[in-house]
Amino acid sequence: DSGVTQTPKHLITATGQRVTLRCSPRSGDLSVYWYQQSLDQGLQFLIQYYNGEERAKGNILERFSAQQFPDLHSELNLSSLELGDSALYFCASSVGTSGRADTQYFGPGTRLTVL
Amino acid sequence: GQQVMQIPQYQHVQEGEDFTTYCNSSTTLSNIQWYKQRPGGHPVFLIQLVKSGEVKKQKRLTFQFGEAKKNSSLHITATQTTDVGTYFCAGPGNTPLVFGKGTRLSVIA
Repeated sequence: DSGVTQTPKHLITATGQRVTLRCSPRSGDLSVYWYQQSLDQGLQFLIQYYNGEERAKGNILERFSAQQFPDLHSELNLSSLELGDSALYFCASSVGTSGRADTQYFGPGTRLTVL
Repeated sequence: GQQVMQIPQYQHVQEGEDFTTYCNSSTTLSNIQWYKQRPGGHPVFLIQLVKSGEVKKQKRLTFQFGEAKKNSSLHITATQTTDVGTYFCAGPGNTPLVFGKGTRLSVIA
């Protein structure tokens, strides 16, 4: 158990819909990262937040957005969903004080299926 | 942008055989990290290497960081069924961590 929690575990929805994925980082961690992992694909970095502020952005679609709240939990919002958005979405957290090379602790993931 | 490449993409071994996966970066890395993802699981941090030429061991796993800090390897001695999974290397780059696509290891009992 990494100490990172993600809800829900599974999500099935239809094209065009909007969903929100939630992540709670490990106690004491200030950074939260979101990744997308499609079948047989590696980990595609989406976005990082550090202590409430956006710190780094990857190949995140304009239909996707995220935020980190004062209690440090984070939400990833996916809208106008397409079939190709079906994937595993992982949240990871790190202490966030040692720069860009922190060890990241991953949550169990949310499996999104878009029908 | 920076690329991190891993080979092989897949490896099937008989239980008891050795296994090696290689990681190459297009740029020099300040450090490299290795993660393991079991089937149906999430990536789990294994180790971080920082120094040029560094070698670290964890039981049957040996990790090396190249002298030029652009490549790394993970060697597993006498694989067991518990070693099954995908092994990722990752290094800092234009995103906090740039992950390789991983090597998926299957172990045949």
